[in-house]
Amino acid sequence: EPEVTQTPSHQVTQMGQEVILRCVPISNHLYFYWYRQILGQKVEFLVSFYNNEISEKSEIFDDQFSVERPDGSNFTLKIRSTKLEDSAMYFCASSADQTHYGYTFGSGTRLTVV
Amino acid sequence: KQEVTQIPAALSVPEGENLVLNCSFTDSAIYNLQWFRQDPGKGLTSLLLIQSSQREQTSGRLNASLDKSSGRSTLYIAASQPGDSATYLCAVSGSARQLTFGSGTQLTVLP
Repeated sequence: EPEVTQTPSHQVTQMGQEVILRCVPISNHLYFYWYRQILGQKVEFLVSFYNNEISEKSEIFDDQFSVERPDGSNFTLKIRSTKLEDSAMYFCASSADQTHYGYTFGSGTRLTVV
Repeated sequence: KQEVTQIPAALSVPEGENLVLNCSFTDSAIYNLQWFRQDPGKGLTSLLLIQSSQREQTSGRLNASLDKSSGRSTLYIAASQPGDSATYLCAVSGSARQLTFGSGTQLTVLP
């Protein structure tokens, strides 16, 4: 069964450093997403991406965050200057469309900011 | 704004029991509802997807129902096993084109 692949599985970074989280969505999917889950809290939407541009973003997704699809396969989330409160599990997801098909999630990247 | 609530927050049952997990949502204008399983520290595994026009979906020992008008879904697990122990998340997709998640039900199946 096709999978969404995320790397790295765990990243530790110092406060103020830039991090890039990487994802390879399912090849024939058109919509890509980032979600995050702070420990003990709900999974929260960050951003959706379609046709090489952001289609929606939440209030969490401020100027410190950016997304990119640099080639035909990778989808990245960049956090420019990490804060302690950015520590969370970050999930990438993809879907074939936004109404009839479900979302497939990756296994996540655990980001720890120290 | 869509809100998703899951009850109970935690559930512990002996092996072999049938059980029901509940999910409710405030805005009935949804496209679909998806149930996920999350093991500790792991990713989200999709279990069942129900379209807004459907009433239920089944996969093996799992059956999910949807009552869109009342804003409710249930996940029924038959003949529970210790390997079913995990957190079960309900998420709805609506006009906001994003998934809104509940807090989950943490299930423990005792051998």
